[in-house]
Amino acid sequence: QVQLQESGPGLVKPSQTLSLTCTVSGGSISTYYWNWIRQPPGKGLEWIGYFHSSGRSFYNPSLKGRATLSVDTSENQFSLILDSLTAADTAVYYCARERCTLGTCYFDFWGQGILVTVSS
Amino acid sequence: DIQLTQSPSFLSASVGDRVTITCRASQGIYPYLAWYQQKSGKAPKLLIYGASTLQSGVPSRFSGSGSGTEFTLTISSLQPEDFATYYCQQLTSLPPYTFGQGTKLESK
Repeated sequence: QVQLQESGPGLVKPSQTLSLTCTVSGGSISTYYWNWIRQPPGKGLEWIGYFHSSGRSFYNPSLKGRATLSVDTSENQFSLILDSLTAADTAVYYCARERCTLGTCYFDFWGQGILVTVSS
Repeated sequence: DIQLTQSPSFLSASVGDRVTITCRASQGIYPYLAWYQQKSGKAPKLLIYGASTLQSGVPSRFSGSGSGTEFTLTISSLQPEDFATYYCQQLTSLPPYTFGQGTKLESK
């Protein structure tokens, strides 16, 4: 069974940079697209971007170039870096595996989420 | 970007009720439409993908339908564990991926 686990700081100061890691167990990170999604407290889901071990990536334009994703196949991990943080970046951050089959795609495995608060 | 609009945003229902949630897209997205269930404090859980394919392990009272720009999620007979928030998501080949705003299903 594939499992994903986010890790990183729970509190970051405004203007600083957030670094989160998602560790994948029970499966290889080399085959799929790996996504980050966030959810501000009491609000809906916002897709951040995806990264594939081939190097293909796409980011949500709403983040205005502040996000960088990467994959470490040797550690079976993928990471999110988000810079120039403001209070609006306070959210639960999820990692998720994207699977494409039968002509469609979907997020079939999710991490449990990590709450990141941006505050001085 | 492709916009998804769910209706209703809030829904009150009773155990045993048949419930339908609608998701409308700003342009055609079939079959790149998925539905998720999220309970308080938990990660979303995949219910339906490809607009109508039930994810393994999901009870058969859940079903999805639709094509083009209009899609529905139906729960045929509501169970106590189904009270949650439901989201649709589009994953076409042209990101960014987007989610609907969510439908909160509450006990009447």
